[in-house]
Amino acid sequence: QKEVEQNSGPLSVPEGAIASLNCTYSDRGSQSFFWYRQYSGKSPELIMFIYSNGDKEDGRFTAQLNKASQYVSLLIRDSQPSDSATYLCAVRDDQGGKLIFGQGTELSVKP
Amino acid sequence: GAVVSQHPSWVICKSGTSVKIECRSLDFQATTMFWYRQFPKQSLMLMATSNEGSKATYEQGVEKDKFLINHASLTLSTLTVTSAHPEDSSFYICSAFPATDTQYFGPGTRLTVL
Repeated sequence: QKEVEQNSGPLSVPEGAIASLNCTYSDRGSQSFFWYRQYSGKSPELIMFIYSNGDKEDGRFTAQLNKASQYVSLLIRDSQPSDSATYLCAVRDDQGGKLIFGQGTELSVKP
Repeated sequence: GAVVSQHPSWVICKSGTSVKIECRSLDFQATTMFWYRQFPKQSLMLMATSNEGSKATYEQGVEKDKFLINHASLTLSTLTVTSAHPEDSSFYICSAFPATDTQYFGPGTRLTVL
């Protein structure tokens, strides 16, 4: 059973701080990793994807991947109250393409 | 990014009736679409993989006779909840991906069964 684990939170950070969201996965052969943001009552929206070890930056967001440790993280710099949402880590199952989701981390950014 | 739409966005029905939810890829063709269900405060649960021109693949524990999936074209998949009951009330979300393997989600359909 392939699994993706996240801390459910809530994670609370002050406005302007760096929010760090973490995710581990069980399948060492996984190749594709995704971070989605989900506001309450809405469907998930893609923030970033990462395939290679190391860091990938997009604006205030940085995804980090360490395949040896089976660990992927998302950093949000200069956190804003509008970043308050649930962040879902997902790993693509290469046999069929479906995504395996973690349970999500609830982030709260306090003004 | 790619655009996926769903219709309706919300529906209320009586117990025992059937409800059809449509998922469309608007600006790309999708040979594969996915259907998820999400209960309050829980993560997404994959229900089935919808394949154009062939039978859907259901996840373990999902009743294929209750959740009928039809992927009749490269831009449309439908999910029909048959003989709906209150426990089927949930947020149903579809996803699809274009040439890349990045999945894009529809806006979701909130189903309430009275």
